[in-house]
Amino acid sequence: DTEVTQTPKHLVMGMTNKKSLKCEQHMGHRAMYWYKQKAKKPPELMFVYSYEKLSINESVPSRFSPECPNSSLLNLHLHALQPEDSALYLCASSSQGAGYEQYFGPGTRLTVT
Amino acid sequence: GNSVTQMEGPVTLSEEAFLTINCTYTATGYPSLFWYVQYPGEGLQLLLKATKADDKGSNKGFEATYRKETTSFHLEKGSVQVSDSAVYFCALQVRPGAQKLVFGQGTRLTINP
Repeated sequence: DTEVTQTPKHLVMGMTNKKSLKCEQHMGHRAMYWYKQKAKKPPELMFVYSYEKLSINESVPSRFSPECPNSSLLNLHLHALQPEDSALYLCASSSQGAGYEQYFGPGTRLTVT
Repeated sequence: GNSVTQMEGPVTLSEEAFLTINCTYTATGYPSLFWYVQYPGEGLQLLLKATKADDKGSNKGFEATYRKETTSFHLEKGSVQVSDSAVYFCALQVRPGAQKLVFGQGTRLTINP
């Protein structure tokens, strides 16, 4: 089963709110990713966790805070966002073995008001 | 640096037409190459992949061949359907296990009945 799930599907938040995005996979993958995708653009990498440790932070503002509680779960904590942070946030996972392809979740559509 | 260039869209075809979406890349070494598809309102789905020169990836009637001599990975389908309407992304991964995918800009495909 090559499934990555994300909740919520849609999120509307004010600039002073704190919210979290959640991602889960049960494929035994040991690398998990957060991407941001603006309309009509390719996904942009934000963070990578490998074996539950943060391995890549693409200079993302501190108002985005990732967390990997265990090998199946990935969270993205949001605080004091700006309207320009409105986008589709995609989670992905990959095996460390042969293939290395990334499998994406359906995304969370975030609107910051 | 590493980069992917896709043919500009949007591309509009009639049902049962032949499809080609061009993709060329610049990379050091021997990258793995991927095509992802994004249907409206959804995340990215891995469509096919190739990991070495002359490999042919195929899935759901789509094919792409890894051509090192022309640094290309063009996507083809012999007879498109309305359900193939989506955005297609070509991507490369510089080496097995590298955690960064480099995406092309995406090509929006619309198939008319």
